[in-house]
Amino acid sequence: EADIYQTPRYLVIGTGKKITLECSQTMGHDKMYWYQQDPGMELHLIHYSYGVNSTEKGDLSSESTVSRIRTEHFPLTLESARPSHTSQYLCASSEWEREGRETQYFGPGTRLLVL
Amino acid sequence: SQQGEEDPQALSIQEGENATMNCSYKTSINNLQWYRQNSGRGLVHLILIRSNEREKHSGRLRVTLDTSKKSSSLLITASRAADTASYFCATEAQGGSEKLVFGKGTKLTVNP
Repeated sequence: EADIYQTPRYLVIGTGKKITLECSQTMGHDKMYWYQQDPGMELHLIHYSYGVNSTEKGDLSSESTVSRIRTEHFPLTLESARPSHTSQYLCASSEWEREGRETQYFGPGTRLLVL
Repeated sequence: SQQGEEDPQALSIQEGENATMNCSYKTSINNLQWYRQNSGRGLVHLILIRSNEREKHSGRLRVTLDTSKKSSSLLITASRAADTASYFCATEAQGGSEKLVFGKGTKLTVNP
């Protein structure tokens, strides 16, 4: 088991609410990622960070935002949740390797249901 | 865009049989990785094969890579019920951003 944690594991919330999904890792990894995954489907990268104060948008457009104030913490925020945001959100981290052989370590995921 | 595509989408076998899953991708890569995901959980890294490698083993897993065909296969030998999961390939583009691109996965069911 990797030392990367996500809370909450499950969240059911009404439309229009602001939510923050937490992700923390204790491995000291510089690189962190957020993926969105619908049931039975592939992962889509929505945000990533290469270190403190570094955040980038991923390949899939998302209305969420992220911040990276501390190395170990990479929260994702939705200002106003909508039913279209219903999905599983996976956080991952990896070490910086010069030779491009990064392995990503995943958290258990947060299943979000917006009513 | 570069994307791994696994096939089959779903595979159901009996315990003890071998399971083979394939992955195809579109552009040159640094490496290709296979991950496993149990239902409702995060992904777990299984094995990484570099672009200059052709075959790699890890326990009951065997991965092959054919860069000329832009394809890879994952073989699980002597499968167990506990191998039931979805398996994803992920590619890291050559000279790229060090991000991984995941395929849609193969859902493997091993029946006891």
